[in-house]
Amino acid sequence: KAGVTQTPRYLIKTRGQQVTLSCSPISGHRSVSWYQQTPGQGLQFLFEYFSETQRNKGNFPGRFSGRQFSNSRSEMNVSTLELGDSALYLCASSDSLGGADEQYFGPGTRLTVT
Amino acid sequence: AQSVTQLDSQVPVFEEAPVELRCNYSSSVSVYLFWYVQYPNQGLQLLLKYLSGSTLVESINGFEAEFNKSQTSFHLRKPSVHISDTAEYFCAVRDSGTYKYIFGTGTRLKVLA
Repeated sequence: KAGVTQTPRYLIKTRGQQVTLSCSPISGHRSVSWYQQTPGQGLQFLFEYFSETQRNKGNFPGRFSGRQFSNSRSEMNVSTLELGDSALYLCASSDSLGGADEQYFGPGTRLTVT
Repeated sequence: AQSVTQLDSQVPVFEEAPVELRCNYSSSVSVYLFWYVQYPNQGLQLLLKYLSGSTLVESINGFEAEFNKSQTSFHLRKPSVHISDTAEYFCAVRDSGTYKYIFGTGTRLKVLA
């Protein structure tokens, strides 16, 4: 099976702009989670989608939003970018919501805001 | 709310020496515990996990972790490290109530020749 793919891999944006990141989960996986990774902060959970519904949400402002499509692909959108949004954004998929399933991570999208 | 603490942000160790990476989590009725490894410019990969049963779990590349319920710890150990083990290691807890994965801030293991 192909792994989790994320596009684009690298992105440079200017403050105030918006950005959309894409994630394709492993075939058959219905749960997709998004994380923000910054040095010293580790992975901060953004949200999780399962069967097109947001099931969990982290403590991020409303500028961060996401959605999931019927084929389980997911997009994350950040509006009105700030310098502090510069980070590696990781997407992870798993077989089910809840339970002991491990998450499979994509390589991430590195976003730089100037 | 559930939290995960990795006290050591960086751990330098010489090749073939033993290493322990510490992980503590806040108490919960039921949790699943994971260690993930991140090599440079890559996403995270599962190293090992504890779900239930034997408190000692092992990975295929020589790492092991022990679940200690009374100390709410899940420390990762390897008796003899290799240069190729240089990476960042993340401890994670999946809360059985909220289903959220909570990650620690990571420990950067640097193996020195």
